[in-house]
Amino acid sequence: ILNVEQSPQSLHVQEGDSTNFTCSFPSSNFYALHWYRWETAKSPEALFVMTLNGDEKKKGRISATLNTKEGYSYLYIKGSQPEDSATYLCAFSSGGYQKVTFGTGTKLQVIP
Amino acid sequence: EAGVTQFPSHSVIEKGQTVTLRCDPISGHDNLYWYRRVMGKEIKFLLHFVKESKQDESGMPNNRFLAERTGGTYSTLKVQPAELEDSGVYFCASSPRVDNSPLHFGNGTRLTVT
Repeated sequence: ILNVEQSPQSLHVQEGDSTNFTCSFPSSNFYALHWYRWETAKSPEALFVMTLNGDEKKKGRISATLNTKEGYSYLYIKGSQPEDSATYLCAFSSGGYQKVTFGTGTKLQVIP
Repeated sequence: EAGVTQFPSHSVIEKGQTVTLRCDPISGHDNLYWYRRVMGKEIKFLLHFVKESKQDESGMPNNRFLAERTGGTYSTLKVQPAELEDSGVYFCASSPRVDNSPLHFGNGTRLTVT
């Protein structure tokens, strides 16, 4: 993996369903993995920044895990609500200079 | 605390004209980034300032783009002369110089070159 890749590109789930999506990133020279939530007509907002292999972070119904050795992170949403509809971006930084490179995002639509 | 502000929010210019975008980061944030999103694709890195110094400008597409951050406060991104392919949304983000801080984004400037 040379860039940050996210899958799926888009996702439709029913209200109440739990869902997850994947971010893959280069496993060499890892520094930090970021997750952002981006609602239409707004600016991206940070959810998590993770640095350690095996890290798990949680914010309400949203949680994320990190595997730096194999170069992936999962974002989970439990009991999806319509207000969770947004594009979820992951971003990777390598080295100490904090250049942050973004993936293409996963667009989530929660159907009431 | 005031967030990251960008000006203008929208700009429509003709091919060949010049446009200057401005970003005011959160006060005290040493890191300032410019990103661009073109045609709904991914957010692409343009450059990164640490205070007034360009830390990384590997994402700047060509020499028609010039970014400055005089005094390490606000930043400007000038496109001269603008081309059609420069259309997109230009985002600015800032973060403090603390390891692994999240980025704080502005609302973006939507640039349309006709």
